[in-house]
Amino acid sequence: AQTVTQSQPEMSVQEAETVTLSCTYDTSESNYYLFWYKQPPSRQMILVIRQEAYKQQNATENRFSVNFQKAAKSFSLKISDSQLGDTAMYFCAFGGNKLVFGAGTILRVKS
Amino acid sequence: NAGVTQTPKFQVLKTGQSMTLQCAQDMNHNSMYWYRQDPGMGLRLIYYSASEGTTDKGEVPNGYNVSRLNKREFSLRLESAAPSQTSVYFCATRRDRGITGELFFGEGSRLTVL
Repeated sequence: AQTVTQSQPEMSVQEAETVTLSCTYDTSESNYYLFWYKQPPSRQMILVIRQEAYKQQNATENRFSVNFQKAAKSFSLKISDSQLGDTAMYFCAFGGNKLVFGAGTILRVKS
Repeated sequence: NAGVTQTPKFQVLKTGQSMTLQCAQDMNHNSMYWYRQDPGMGLRLIYYSASEGTTDKGEVPNGYNVSRLNKREFSLRLESAAPSQTSVYFCATRRDRGITGELFFGEGSRLTVL
């Protein structure tokens, strides 16, 4: 079975600082996609960033970047220059036709 | 441009009652999904539909049925609601049949079963 583990239930960071959220997964497949989604208090699910497993280069979207280690099955999210609006639940997800989600990490950005 | 629309957004049921959650998309996507979100468990796949006329079970299908009425609509039915089905339900769509492409989500439907 495919599984996703987010080992940090909650994290906090000061505004303007950098924080890294961890994610590991387990699969026997060789080709798949990985995603980070953000869920603010509004409950809306918002795509933050995605990574294609066959690409060596780590994906970057403005202040968000990933550290993808395929051999270690690790996919962490780094948020630079944290902003109050980054406060949310963050979900790691991976898969093919069916996306499997982790349990989520609550991130609180403090002023 | 509505994207993915779920109705209702809130519902309270008594144990044993039935109800249908509706999902409609105007994105012309092939694949549609139903997830449930519970505290500490993330999102778990209930059913998905790769294309009109096809459905497949996900991780937690028991107690649910689905219908892919046409390309736009994918409904989730609870025939006899149980308190364990209290959850937030999300419908999502995906453009591609294969592994590419992210999910686009509706706003969620909060269901409480008493």
